[in-house]
Amino acid sequence: GAVVSQHPSWVICKSGTSVKIECRSLDFQATTMFWYRQFPKQSLMLMATSNEGSKATYEQGVEKDKFLINHASLTLSTLTVTSAHPEDSSFYICSATVGLGNQPQHFGDGTRLSIL
Amino acid sequence: DQQVKQNSPSLSVQEGRISILNCDYTNSMFDYFLWYKKYPAEGPTFLISISSIKDKNEDGRFTVFLNKSAKHLSLHIVPSQPGDSAVYFCAATPNYGGATNKLIFGTGTLLAVQP
Repeated sequence: GAVVSQHPSWVICKSGTSVKIECRSLDFQATTMFWYRQFPKQSLMLMATSNEGSKATYEQGVEKDKFLINHASLTLSTLTVTSAHPEDSSFYICSATVGLGNQPQHFGDGTRLSIL
Repeated sequence: DQQVKQNSPSLSVQEGRISILNCDYTNSMFDYFLWYKKYPAEGPTFLISISSIKDKNEDGRFTVFLNKSAKHLSLHIVPSQPGDSAVYFCAATPNYGGATNKLIFGTGTLLAVQP
């Protein structure tokens, strides 16, 4: 149980385009989903927290207009990197949890984004 | 400011021996700690967790120890197997009145189990 699917796993695109990444909880309803970014040999850095039906909460330093997050249902959250540039190239990972309290987050397999 | 630290970037252990991965934290508000295992190009997989009201939690070959006074936790894997080779992240979360389960991750330790 607690499977999180992330799509696509790898994307290469030209500078200036927008890229949408999907995160789905396959066998549970995720009241909260998280988006992380990981640079090579570094830790996972939380970008934003999204709750179904409400606006995402962004961490300090993360541009809301650059990284659009939509959590339209209890099983789907999307991250759109708008007008992507080479510095946005990174490994993006989503996670989901069933609710509040001390429960582990379950992670997707990540999306490797490369902007040329 | 790195609130969760894993000072050993890598660890090499012989198969069958014990692997001990360490993690230190600075924020006394953290009250729930987790260990995740990560293979390259994959998302982290949850291994084991511990609440601050406990000092030990065991699950099969994996045991997590928490020393609150020292703000230190460790993950013991025994016996270590080659399939355990991966990057291990510790993570912590504060409990600000039941807010979102925001995780703060350490920088990871690459464990290599030699056959």
